[in-house]
Amino acid sequence: DVKVTQSSRYLVKRTGEKVFLECVQDMDHENMFWYRQDPGLGLRLIYFSYDVKMKEKGDIPEGYSVSREKKERFSLILESASTNQTSMYLCASIHRGPTYEQYFGPGTRLTVT
Amino acid sequence: ILNVEQSPQSLHVQEGDSTNFTCSFPSSNFYALHWYRWETAKSPEALFVMTLNGDEKKKGRISATLNTKEGYSYLYIKGSQPEDSATYLCAFALGSGNTGKLIFGQGTTLQVKP
Repeated sequence: DVKVTQSSRYLVKRTGEKVFLECVQDMDHENMFWYRQDPGLGLRLIYFSYDVKMKEKGDIPEGYSVSREKKERFSLILESASTNQTSMYLCASIHRGPTYEQYFGPGTRLTVT
Repeated sequence: ILNVEQSPQSLHVQEGDSTNFTCSFPSSNFYALHWYRWETAKSPEALFVMTLNGDEKKKGRISATLNTKEGYSYLYIKGSQPEDSATYLCAFALGSGNTGKLIFGQGTTLQVKP
């Protein structure tokens, strides 16, 4: 079974703090994604990575950066956390083709106070 | 801007009822349509990945149909059970390159009362 793990299920941070969310997958998947999910909105793509050290902005990258130094690990960084970044963050990975089915982590509920 | 719409946003049914939800997506440049189930405190899991117009897929009591020409997919649950309570997400696959990028609808949250 593919396993995608995220470093924390719940996280509370203060405004202005630098926040790291870690994601690890164990199936040698090439592509990895970071989403946020807010009530009434679908999953929105923040960043994705298609290879080590390669990244591409998603639909809502402002206020975020990412790091992929190893194939299995994809980190999301909030440079200076703000209250509007309070959200559920989901990581996913895929093996390329044929269905590109995404495998998700359990999510991190981040609260910024 | 590509848009994926799901309806209804939420649904409450009694155990044993059958139910269905709709996903609307762009009818041009179709590559694939995904359905995921997201139970509380768990990871979203793929139910179906559908690629062909007219496709029907089934997993137990859950089935899905696909109409790519008119841009919609239906998800059916026959004889709902409390364990079917979850948020059901559909996602439109962007076919450009091999990125695997998806555009998600806002989800349909189903509550099945015993």
